[in-house]
Amino acid sequence: AQKITQTQPGMFVQEKEAVTLDCTYDTSDPSYGLFWYKQPSSGEMIFLIYQGSYDQQNATEGRYSLNFQKARKSANLVISASQLGDSAMYFCAMSPRGKTSYDKVIFGPGTSLSVIP
Amino acid sequence: DTEVTQTPKHLVMGMTNKKSLKCEQHMGHRAMYWYKQKAKKPPELMFVYSYEKLSINESVPSRFSPECPNSSLLNLHLHALQPEDSALYLCASSQDSRESYLFPYEQYFGPGTRLTVT
Repeated sequence: AQKITQTQPGMFVQEKEAVTLDCTYDTSDPSYGLFWYKQPSSGEMIFLIYQGSYDQQNATEGRYSLNFQKARKSANLVISASQLGDSAMYFCAMSPRGKTSYDKVIFGPGTSLSVIP
Repeated sequence: DTEVTQTPKHLVMGMTNKKSLKCEQHMGHRAMYWYKQKAKKPPELMFVYSYEKLSINESVPSRFSPECPNSSLLNLHLHALQPEDSALYLCASSQDSRESYLFPYEQYFGPGTRLTVT
């Protein structure tokens, strides 16, 4: 069975500091994608970053980077230089590459990040 | 344009009302999804439409009725809801992952409809 674990229900970080949000996953699929989404209190799920299971290099998008350790089945999100607008719920998600035209995404329970001025 | 729109943003309805939620995307995506999300929980998949055909129904009660009139539109018809159905309803869309050599594509979400059932 596929599963995503996020062990940090809530985290605090000082403005301008870096923060790491943990994510571990379990799957037997050889090909899959890992995603991070941000959900502010307004409700919209914002796609942040993506990592393919065969990607050799860690993904980066601006201040976001994904620390991918395939053998450990972990895909931690690193946010550098935190800003007040980073305060939100963060979900780690995974989707296997199947043979269908749609994807069934598994979400982790989420981590609530609060940035302190 | 990576935008998924949803209307209305907020909806309050009584248990005997009939209402509809609407979702629209113009990214050419052929898979569209409805999720239900309770506060401080991850989204739960309700329905998936692929090429305008219902592909997944996650044992959702019949008081929720999805419809996909064309490749850009997705509706969720609501009737005789219960107070426990109050939640954020999110629509999402994605490309056909069979077009990707190795990996699935990400899903793009709309802003959601906050539904309150009184």
